Amino acid sequence: GEDVEQSLFLSVREGDSSVINCTYTDSSSTYLYWYKQEPGAGLQLLTYIFSNMDMKQDQRLTVLLNKKDKHLSLRIADTQTGDSAIYFCAPSSGATNKLIFGTGTLLAVQP
Amino acid sequence: DGGITQSPKYLFRKEGQNVTLSCEQNLNHDAMYWYRQDPGQGLRLIYYSQIVNDFQKGDIAEGYSVSREKKESFPLTVTSAQKNPTAFYLCASLHGTGELFFGEGSRLTVL
Repeated sequence: GEDVEQSLFLSVREGDSSVINCTYTDSSSTYLYWYKQEPGAGLQLLTYIFSNMDMKQDQRLTVLLNKKDKHLSLRIADTQTGDSAIYFCAPSSGATNKLIFGTGTLLAVQP
Repeated sequence: DGGITQSPKYLFRKEGQNVTLSCEQNLNHDAMYWYRQDPGQGLRLIYYSQIVNDFQKGDIAEGYSVSREKKESFPLTVTSAQKNPTAFYLCASLHGTGELFFGEGSRLTVL
């Protein structure tokens, strides 16, 4: 079946850049989403990229997509303590049009 | 304001009891979803409904049941047949753009 993999934990210092990586197996994903989850809360959409794009930039966020390698990354510039959260990669399933969620990466920002 | 409301936020259950988690949305979305979140496992789909009076099993439907009698409401019942029900449960609805809107979650603990 479709699979999405992320590393479980990333620690950075405040002011540094964070890069969260994701690999997926469904080559027919049309949309690829990044969601953010703060402690004890639901998920909120952070950004997304269409499958026909290589890069999308939105303020401090940069999404890179390598379709050939099925690799997606989220870069957060000038990381702040308020960015501490779990980040989920979620490509859409080409077969079912549902989202397939990765395990989530816990980003810890050290002051 | 439009959104998704889950209740209760915290719930305790004795073994052998059924419990029902509420999910209500006023976003006029057709499709609604229930996910289960466990540490290190990401989000797993329990049930989803694309339209009123219709629903489908997700990846881990055993021990759960749902109903969709109204567009706004998609309650989830955790039955005594669910062997490991302690988890964080998230309800979501789908916007036409493909974005999922999530509730704040319900944390169920079995005593």
